[in-house]
Amino acid sequence: QKEVEQDPGPLSVPEGAIVSLNCTYSNSAFQYFMWYRQYSRKGPELLMYTYSSGNKEDGRFTAQVDKSSKYISLFIRDSQPSDSATYLCAMSYGGSNYKLTFGKGTLLTVNP
Amino acid sequence: DTAVSQTPKYLVTQMGNDKSIKCEQNLGHDTMYWYKQDSKKFLKIMFSYNNKELIINETVPNRFSPKSPDKAHLNLHINSLELGDSAVYFCASSRGSSGLTDTQYFGPGTRLTVL
Repeated sequence: QKEVEQDPGPLSVPEGAIVSLNCTYSNSAFQYFMWYRQYSRKGPELLMYTYSSGNKEDGRFTAQVDKSSKYISLFIRDSQPSDSATYLCAMSYGGSNYKLTFGKGTLLTVNP
Repeated sequence: DTAVSQTPKYLVTQMGNDKSIKCEQNLGHDTMYWYKQDSKKFLKIMFSYNNKELIINETVPNRFSPKSPDKAHLNLHINSLELGDSAVYFCASSRGSSGLTDTQYFGPGTRLTVL
């Protein structure tokens, strides 16, 4: 079993839809959880960063962490064509260990 | 101004050749990283340097050798290139502080094709 599992999709939704992206992980030592967005032929950019279980909201994006289930989610409300990208979840142990472990990424297309 | 830059952007070369990829960051960060993204988009860390010291060295063939001449630069040299080395290589940097906010900033990537 890989440390971080993410459904690669692809996921295609109409503009305005609510999108739900998910990752599961096996290592309970992960403390910090991130979502990166990667446009085609570009580097990943950080979208959301969470530490504790619960929800964190930033505009149309909500990150959710459930440490007891080892499950994280990213919700995108009112999705826009500009949200079309690959979304990668990432996790780290924290402290002085800077290593990020990524999921495989989910390719999202938002159709106008 | 580009925060994390890489050169070259594209690299096409023959099997068996030796090549280098360069990375520079102007963010004043202490930690830099090399990641490999394969054809299935899986992004995996290879190396990390903190203040020019190697701190992460994943299971990578020793044909790959990182070099950090100073905090702002991290280069990747690859000897005896193989077909399986074809991938996009990303450089990243972060402040290198422990705690909640050690965000990693990625460069635009170097697309390496080995023929």
